Amino acid sequence: EVQLVDSGGGLVQPGGSLRLSCVASGFNFSKYEMNWVRQAPGKGLEWVSYISSRGNGATKYYADSVRGRFTISRDNAKNSLYLQMDSLRVEDTAVYFCARALNYWGQGTLVTVSS
Amino acid sequence: QSALTQPASVSGSRGQSITISCTGTSSDIGDYNYVYWFQQDPGTAPKVIIYEVSKRPSGVSYRFSGSKSGNTASLTISGLQAEDETHYYCASYTSRATPVVFGGGTKLTVL
Repeated sequence: EVQLVDSGGGLVQPGGSLRLSCVASGFNFSKYEMNWVRQAPGKGLEWVSYISSRGNGATKYYADSVRGRFTISRDNAKNSLYLQMDSLRVEDTAVYFCARALNYWGQGTLVTVSS
Repeated sequence: QSALTQPASVSGSRGQSITISCTGTSSDIGDYNYVYWFQQDPGTAPKVIIYEVSKRPSGVSYRFSGSKSGNTASLTISGLQAEDETHYYCASYTSRATPVVFGGGTKLTVL
């Protein structure tokens, strides 16, 4: 059974940092592209970042709203996906989901940016 | 403003059929057969109900169907049931620098 478990969310002050993790099981993690998607309170889904499966994640893309502040990475040996979030802003407050392509989703982890 | 355009709300009576549209461009829906539809209850992870335009995952009711024409994808729900009342989102892969785009979401009300 495919499972994705998100973790690492929490309360952080504006300008702070957090690192989200997503641990995968039930499939060959190294063979799949992965995405981070977020949902602000009461809002719709917003794509955040993508990492390829080929070249151990050589290809990465970011939404304009997070480019230069967020970094996506993966560790295939640990079946894990990460999102390093720096220079956090109040508007980054959201539930963050990891997704295998768009077919399977983690349960989400809440990030709250507030002073 | 979302890259894909969905109606904010639709409604239908129990037993009827409804269709939710998702309009994009020739750089996303018009160029890719990787169109997804999700069902999402507040506070939970999205559930895939349609992938690759018209394919239904195992366990998803036959009442859900997807299609595409040009730059517009559609989700049709037939035989509306009370349990269908929730939010629906579309998504597509794109040829732009941002490889995934979502619609703004549609709230379905079952009367």
